[in-house]
Amino acid sequence: EVVLTQSPATLSLSPGERATLSCRASENVNKYLAWYQQKPGQAPRLLIYDASNRATGIPARFSGSGSGTDFTLTISSLEPEDFAVYYCQQRSNWPPITFGQGTRLEIK
Amino acid sequence: EVQLVESGGGLVQPGGSLRLSCAASGFTFSNYAMTWVRQAPGKGLEWVSDISGSDDGTYYADSVKGRFTISRDTSKNTLYLQMNSLRAEDTAVYYCAKESGEVAAYPSDNWGQGTLVTVSS
Repeated sequence: EVVLTQSPATLSLSPGERATLSCRASENVNKYLAWYQQKPGQAPRLLIYDASNRATGIPARFSGSGSGTDFTLTISSLEPEDFAVYYCQQRSNWPPITFGQGTRLEIK
Repeated sequence: EVQLVESGGGLVQPGGSLRLSCAASGFTFSNYAMTWVRQAPGKGLEWVSDISGSDDGTYYADSVKGRFTISRDTSKNTLYLQMNSLRAEDTAVYYCAKESGEVAAYPSDNWGQGTLVTVSS
């Protein structure tokens, strides 16, 4: 089973700042990594697929990079609505499809 | 507009059964794989099961294999999750989601609002 480790567990930033979230895989997942955003009481929303492709309707301030075992989600300038929990997910070596434990992005 | 509406959650005793449904609209249901993902209270996301759109291949997490069955009824545009031998650790919000491809394990680009399953005596 591929284990995804996200860091940091919690990130405290202010609106307008740049956010950098990390996801490390226990083995090579090629480019098959996605990022999701989840706000309290809501379902997850797909942000990035195949490491670097923005999903439909996702603002350009969200970008993804990486391949193999190390991946990054960057939010270039935080908007108030971006404070949420972010999960990475791999679909390279499955089953099982696995998720990271999440990074909570909170307002400083 | 894609819509996914789950139903069937509720309170069930350990060892009991429950069937979740997910009514889909706004896309050609048979052309896409579908998935169930769950989230225990205050915890992260856990993949439960996938079903492909083409050959109805099915896949399960080890934690539910042999107890849960995923299926789909194309005539009703509905996805199901039959859950048997339920345990306390199955307590979670269960989300159905559409995947972005026909074969299983594509990213999930549309999600339902979730339905809560509570397993308790």
